[in-house]
Amino acid sequence: KAGVTQTPRYLIKTRGQQVTLSCSPISGHRSVSWYQQTPGQGLQFLFEYFSETQRNKGNFPGRFSGRQFSNSRSEMNVSTLELGDSALYLCASTRRGAPDTEAFFGQGTRLTVV
Amino acid sequence: AQSVTQLGSHVSVSEGALVLLRCNYSSSVPPYLFWYVQYPNQGLQLLLKYTSAATLVKGINGFEAEFKKSETSFHLTKPSAHMSDAAEYFCAVSPSTSGTYKYIFGTGTRLKVLA
Repeated sequence: KAGVTQTPRYLIKTRGQQVTLSCSPISGHRSVSWYQQTPGQGLQFLFEYFSETQRNKGNFPGRFSGRQFSNSRSEMNVSTLELGDSALYLCASTRRGAPDTEAFFGQGTRLTVV
Repeated sequence: AQSVTQLGSHVSVSEGALVLLRCNYSSSVPPYLFWYVQYPNQGLQLLLKYTSAATLVKGINGFEAEFKKSETSFHLTKPSAHMSDAAEYFCAVSPSTSGTYKYIFGTGTRLKVLA
């Protein structure tokens, strides 16, 4: 059974640019969530999608957005990149998106903004 | 608001010694609790979870954790550390009343195992 796949693994962008990250969940999983991981702030919840609907959103500016497609694949977009957006972005999927369910994480996309 | 506190950002133990990683949560109702491990340049892998069944939870790789409501704690232990246990460990809470999935993570504890 394939795990959560995130592409690309590494990305270097310039300030002011925008970026799109992709996440393919485990087959059959309908909930996809995104986290930002930085040394200073740790793991912070960005948003969660279930059946193409955003159900939860963390405390991030509107430059961070996402969407989920009918096949449960998800993308997140960051516009007008800032140096502080440099981080490891992790995607996680769960089968039914309930609070007691285990989340399966991808290996992450490491974004560097220069 | 719910929160998680992990005491000790770095913990060092000798190989074969007891591993104890501390996690305390703040919640008005018992939440669901999880421990994840992260190896360098990897995502997170679930070690174990508490979902209001048994208070002593056994996980993978010999780890276990005990839910103590009176102490609002969910400490992670392993009787004998192995070199391969060196990694970063995260405690997470999932609010049981939210109806939806969302983890709140602690700041993590980096475990170093000394030969």
